[in-house]
Amino acid sequence: QVQLVQSGAEVKKPGASVKVSCKASGYTFTSYYMHWVRQAPGQGLEWMGIINPSGGSTSYAQKFQGRVTMTRDTSTSTVYMELSSLRSEDTAVYYCARVALGGMDVWGQGTTVTVSS
Amino acid sequence: EIVMTQSPATLSVSPGERATLSCRASQSVSSNLAWYQQKPGQAPRLLIYGASTRATGIPARFSGSGSGTEFTLTISSLQSEDFAVYYCQQYNNWPYSFGQGTKLEIK
Repeated sequence: QVQLVQSGAEVKKPGASVKVSCKASGYTFTSYYMHWVRQAPGQGLEWMGIINPSGGSTSYAQKFQGRVTMTRDTSTSTVYMELSSLRSEDTAVYYCARVALGGMDVWGQGTTVTVSS
Repeated sequence: EIVMTQSPATLSVSPGERATLSCRASQSVSSNLAWYQQKPGQAPRLLIYGASTRATGIPARFSGSGSGTEFTLTISSLQSEDFAVYYCQQYNNWPYSFGQGTKLEIK
């Protein structure tokens, strides 16, 4: 079945970087764009950016420009989201989500990133 | 950036009744709008895309309507499993923005 499996929870200190992975299975990896979305505790959903697994092109939300990098490895059907210069406000659950017909039809289980000194 | 505004923030409805949730875009997004349901501790689930097309496996009691700047999600007869937070999201322009959510609670 189609699924996205994300890496485990992370605890980071302010100023550090975190890299979250999202491994796809059950479909042709390069045929569907992938979003990254985050959700701070008790808050709504925030779109971070999108990557085309086929060519690797990306588009990031202005808010994260210069701090976020999305990459992919087609040999392992995995996309990555790296966020640098972490601050406490980056504490959130980070999701990858596949794009199909415009909507995000398959989501990873989420990765909790905690930024604390 | 397109701002998505959902109303109301919280909606209290009894099981079996109809719920109507609204979403407004700050500029036209055509029909490039999706609705998601999220339950505590879970990832969001796609309900509707293209403003009115149900995603695979979504019950017929969920329906979406609207285009341009005004959209509605209707749940015709609420079941216990429908009480959750609902988000709209536009994908007409990057950045793909979400509304702030409507919490649907049991009355």
